[in-house]
Amino acid sequence: DSGVTQTPKHLITATGQRVTLRCSPRSGDLSVYWYQQSLDQGLQFLIQYYNGEERAKGNILERFSAQQFPDLHSELNLSSLELGDSALYFCASSALQGSGNTIYFGEGSWLTVV
Amino acid sequence: GIQVEQSPPDLILQEGANSTLRCNFSDSVNNLQWFHQNPWGQLINLFYIPSGTKQNGRLSATTVATERYSLLYISSSQTTDSGVYFCAAPWPSGGSYIPTFGRGTSLIVHP
Repeated sequence: DSGVTQTPKHLITATGQRVTLRCSPRSGDLSVYWYQQSLDQGLQFLIQYYNGEERAKGNILERFSAQQFPDLHSELNLSSLELGDSALYFCASSALQGSGNTIYFGEGSWLTVV
Repeated sequence: GIQVEQSPPDLILQEGANSTLRCNFSDSVNNLQWFHQNPWGQLINLFYIPSGTKQNGRLSATTVATERYSLLYISSSQTTDSGVYFCAAPWPSGGSYIPTFGRGTSLIVHP
């Protein structure tokens, strides 16, 4: 158990809908990362938050947004869903945001868009 | 950003065999992590190894930062070692360092 909690574990929804994925980082970790893993794209970085502030953005679509709350949990919002958004979405956390930090992953949220 | 390349992309072994997985990265790093993604999708930390060698049971890892590569050794492989092995190196972005992943090595261990 990494200590990073993600919900829901599985989600099936229709095209055009909106979903919210939730992540609780390890106790004491200030940095949260979101990654998308699809079959042909590997692990793609989406966005990172540190202590409530957005710090880095990757290839995150405009239809996607995220935030980190004062209690440090984070949510990833996916809207106007398309079939191609079906993927495994990971949240990860680390203590700080420096290069020397170990990152720990949650179990992921499997999203299927039908 | 940093380029992370892993080889081989696929590996098939008989139980009991040994293997070496390689991770090359394009820039100097002070952090390198190895992960195992099991068949259920979970990403499990194996090693945090910016330099030198570490061992954990049948697994060991070596990073030669000056030559920009890391190796993961699996000895006496077991069927439970099957899955995908990823390495990740940090990419500086906006004051943060973002772990950037290679495409992975898919390992199948047959009984």
